[in-house]
Amino acid sequence: SQQGEEDPQALSIQEGENATMNCSYKTSINNLQWYRQNSGRGLVHLILIRSNEREKHSGRLRVTLDTSKKSSSLLITASRAADTASYFCATPHTDRGSTLGRLYFGRGTQLTVWP
Amino acid sequence: GAVVSQHPSWVICKSGTSVKIECRSLDFQATTMFWYRQFPKQSLMLMATSNEGSKATYEQGVEKDKFLINHASLTLSTLTVTSAHPEDSSFYICSARDNTYEQYFGPGTRLTVT
Repeated sequence: SQQGEEDPQALSIQEGENATMNCSYKTSINNLQWYRQNSGRGLVHLILIRSNEREKHSGRLRVTLDTSKKSSSLLITASRAADTASYFCATPHTDRGSTLGRLYFGRGTQLTVWP
Repeated sequence: GAVVSQHPSWVICKSGTSVKIECRSLDFQATTMFWYRQFPKQSLMLMATSNEGSKATYEQGVEKDKFLINHASLTLSTLTVTSAHPEDSSFYICSARDNTYEQYFGPGTRLTVT
């Protein structure tokens, strides 16, 4: 079963507004990653936050991680039409002997930013 | 930055035929590559882990005889969908991991089986 679940499934906002997406996961993790996918394209890695970090910034992106609640949020500030895409959180498989890099992906949030 | 390519970008084939999809790391060596499939408006599901020079490791529920994976070199992994059926129609994405934790994704291959 999937590890991560994003909320909301879809989000529609105006340019300039902030967009917040949430992700919940089920088991213990050592890191959580956020990816972006433009329609019909591959994934672009946005940011990785480790389990001992609570917040991380990268440009207009702000990611938080609450390991006690097993949740993470991605905030995009001052959104632009070019931010329109699907956003996924991903957590690594942590089963014993698991090859590093195997990822569980959530269902994603489809973000639409209107100009 | 590191680039991963996939070929073809899209393919339409008839039911019963086999289709091969290539995944290449263009400017780095990838000892490990991963294959995912994605149905419309859904998440990526990991299918298998491909290790150079050894057999692929398949996720539970993925038929290894149906989805043949070959990782013959440090820059190339192939996924062959054998005897494809319409339910195999999907978006197949590969990723490649370098010697750090960084993982780079290919642009995906859209397979339509008629």
